[in-house]
Formats: sequence, structure tokens, C-alpha cells
Amino acid sequence: GDQVEQSPSALSLHEGTGSALRCNFTTTMRAVQWFRKNSRGSLINLFYLASGTKENGRLKSAFDSKERYSTLHIRDAQLEDSGTYFCAAASGSWQLIFGSGTQLTVMP
Amino acid sequence: EAAVTQSPRNKVAVTGGKVTLSCNQTNNHNNMYWYRQDTGHGLRLIHYSYGAGSTEKGDIPDGYKASRPSQENFSLILELATPSQTSVYFCASGDRGRYTEVFFGKGTRLTVV
Repeated sequence: GDQVEQSPSALSLHEGTGSALRCNFTTTMRAVQWFRKNSRGSLINLFYLASGTKENGRLKSAFDSKERYSTLHIRDAQLEDSGTYFCAAASGSWQLIFGSGTQLTVMP
Repeated sequence: EAAVTQSPRNKVAVTGGKVTLSCNQTNNHNNMYWYRQDTGHGLRLIHYSYGAGSTEKGDIPDGYKASRPSQENFSLILELATPSQTSVYFCASGDRGRYTEVFFGKGTRLTVV
């Protein structure tokens, strides 16, 4: 079935540095969302993209439906950015297909 | 900002008992969803609805029923709870259509003992 492969599964960053998370899709997806699960377990909406790129503060996301991937870039990481990040993509069915998550730890 | 409220936030149930998880959204969204999340996995869809009175099976519907009595409310029902249904359950809502942005509630932690 349709799958979303998210990498890396875990990532450690020092404050002030940056990195990128990536999701590869096994089929053409129509839209992608990125979420952060915070320490209280809530899923926070970060981005929704049907194409192109979006930027919000220190976060930037891109979605290429044709090339079957999406990325989430974090720059100038802060301690409060720690958490689990999920991408989720919409194919032809009703459900969002979730990646397995990236556990991000930001260290002082 | 979309508001999706789940209740209860935590629940301990006994094996074989009936459990009802409730979800309310105040954004007049047509679509509502129930997902479960298990450690080390992304969320998986149990049931969804695209309007009052409709319920549809998602990826893992076995052992669950759903009810959508109104635009605002969507319930997940476990008629005979089993320990394998111990999980965190998320309700979500989205506007009409298959590819619209989806907003999640804060989750319900269910433990079946």
C-alpha cells in the first residue's frame, strides 16, 4: 500500500544549529502536513502544503509531489523545538498516511 | 484556529467492558476522523465520517464502531475492550474534501486492563 518513509528516526541538535527532516512517498501524494507532538502529547500543526514551499519563523517546508518527497528544515534550533515530528500525506483515500516520526532532541 | 475537544483525556477500562470516546469540534468541518497511535508508529486511521449520519471504515476498524450524530460530534465505541486496544486515540476534523488540512484534538490515553 501507499507508504510514507520518514527519516531520520532520531536527531540530536545543539541549540543554534539546524537540520532537515525528510519524508519520501511511494506514490503520488496530493498534499502533506507536518506536525510536532509536544511533551503533553498534543499534535501541533506546523505546515499544510499542496505544493511548493512555506516558511514560518525558523521552520521551512517543501513538498514536491512529482518527485515524491517533502522536507522540513529547522534552523537556529531552540530547546522548545524538542519533540516528535510527523509528516502525513494525503493520497487518493480519505486518510492521512503518517510517517513513523522523528524524535528531535535539542541540547544546550 | 480549529478547536477539536476530546473527552475523556485519560481512561482506564476493564477487559470486556464498553468504552466510548467522545469528540467535539466547533469549526463546522464536514470531515471527522479517529486515529490511534502506538509507540514507535505513526497514526493509523480507525474510522472517519464526511458528515452527520455517515461513518466509514478506515485502515484498522476491527473492534471499533463509530457514531456521528451531528456535525459537531463524533464518537468512537469499543463494545468489548481488549488489552490490545490500549493506545492513545486522536480525533481530528477537516473541511470538505479529501486533501484539506486536518486538525487534531489533544488525544485520549486509554488503558485496558
